[in-house]
Amino acid sequence: DIQMTQSPSSLSASVGDRVTITCRTSQKILNYLTWFQQKPGKAPNLLIYAASSLQSGVPSRFSGNASETEFTLTISSLQPEDFATYYCQQSYSAPRTFGQGTKVEIK
Amino acid sequence: QVQLQESGPGLLKPSETLSLSCSVSGGSINDYYWGWIRQSAGKGLEWIGRIYSTGSTNYNPSLRSRVSMSLDTSRNQFSLRLNSLTAADTAVYYCVREASNIAGRPTDYWGRGILVTVSS
Repeated sequence: DIQMTQSPSSLSASVGDRVTITCRTSQKILNYLTWFQQKPGKAPNLLIYAASSLQSGVPSRFSGNASETEFTLTISSLQPEDFATYYCQQSYSAPRTFGQGTKVEIK
Repeated sequence: QVQLQESGPGLLKPSETLSLSCSVSGGSINDYYWGWIRQSAGKGLEWIGRIYSTGSTNYNPSLRSRVSMSLDTSRNQFSLRLNSLTAADTAVYYCVREASNIAGRPTDYWGRGILVTVSS
């Protein structure tokens, strides 16, 4: 299985802050990396696919980047509705594996 | 707009078999992969497996001996069976769709999820 190491596990930030979350994979996965946002009691919601492609309807303050086995999700200016938990998932091979999540909290 | 809805029992006993169904509306079940993902407090998000509209399957090796999936294209539904349940199978179970026109087929639609509790 491909191991996903996501960091940090949680962070506190203020509205307007720039936030970056990192996901490292145990092997190369091309760009087959997806980012999800999950709010309490809801299913995860697709934000970014193919490492850097923004899903339709997702605000442009969200962006993704990739370098070898390191992937990042950046929120350029944190908004109140962005406080949530974020997960990465690789879709390069089965079983598809997830990062452990990053909870973004209000400072 | 594609919508997925899980259905099935919410409470089961150890050693019993879980049977969940997922109804797909707003689109055809054909030409897509359909899957199941579960989420528990202890293990986070876990991919259970997927089934293509032709019936071919991929399962997580950690669950392969206990899991099976099927689909009914005439009813636009697909199903999950997980046997020999233990408390460790307690989780929210989501049915999902994988995109067909994007390399890597990311998961693009999720059901609302159904809480399954295994307890005697």
